[in-house]
Amino acid sequence: SQELEQSPQSLIVQEGKNLTINCTSSKTLYGLYWYKQKYGEGLIFLMMLQKGGEEKSHEKITAKLDEKKQQSSLHITASQPSHAGIYLCGADSTGNQFYFGTGTSLTVIP
Amino acid sequence: DGGITQSPKYLFRKEGQNVTLSCEQNLNHDAMYWYRQDPGQGLRLIYYSQIVNDFQKGDIAEGYSVSREKKESFPLTVTSAQKNPTAFYLCASADWSNTEAFFGQGTRLTVV
Repeated sequence: SQELEQSPQSLIVQEGKNLTINCTSSKTLYGLYWYKQKYGEGLIFLMMLQKGGEEKSHEKITAKLDEKKQQSSLHITASQPSHAGIYLCGADSTGNQFYFGTGTSLTVIP
Repeated sequence: DGGITQSPKYLFRKEGQNVTLSCEQNLNHDAMYWYRQDPGQGLRLIYYSQIVNDFQKGDIAEGYSVSREKKESFPLTVTSAQKNPTAFYLCASADWSNTEAFFGQGTRLTVV
């Protein structure tokens, strides 16, 4: 069964607003990945975090991994319609199995 | 170039027919996965395989079957027992030593 929980499940924001998506694991993470997907397309890799406290940015998207390596947040600054889609976190939680979160559907209203 | 390939990109089948989706990788990855996505939802795991000739059911395996006769290939058969087969199917492979996963471009299956 899934070991990653994402919140919120869906999000509707006005263009220009900031937003945060969270990904929480019930087990120790050995690597945390963030992906973006538009329905019917393949996943787009955004970034990977491996160390507690690590923070990475890609354009207006910033992801952080907390010190206990069991939670990550994805923050989008000044959202744009191009940011719309489903955001997925993925993790190798045991070194032997890869899981995805349940996804967060983001809608950005112009 | 190494990669993972799914085919076909679009597939149409009549209700009641079995259909097989192809997934091939030349990345020498041990683990391969099949996921299903429905509009507005996250991915759900159908089957996964961590080694040749072995595979495990995921969360929604009913109505699906797989085989892993070769390391490079992990075909998924959507059987007539699957009640709602119309969906987007995504294949992935992973190499645990690099803690990295790669994804195919997906197959959109429509059953009419």
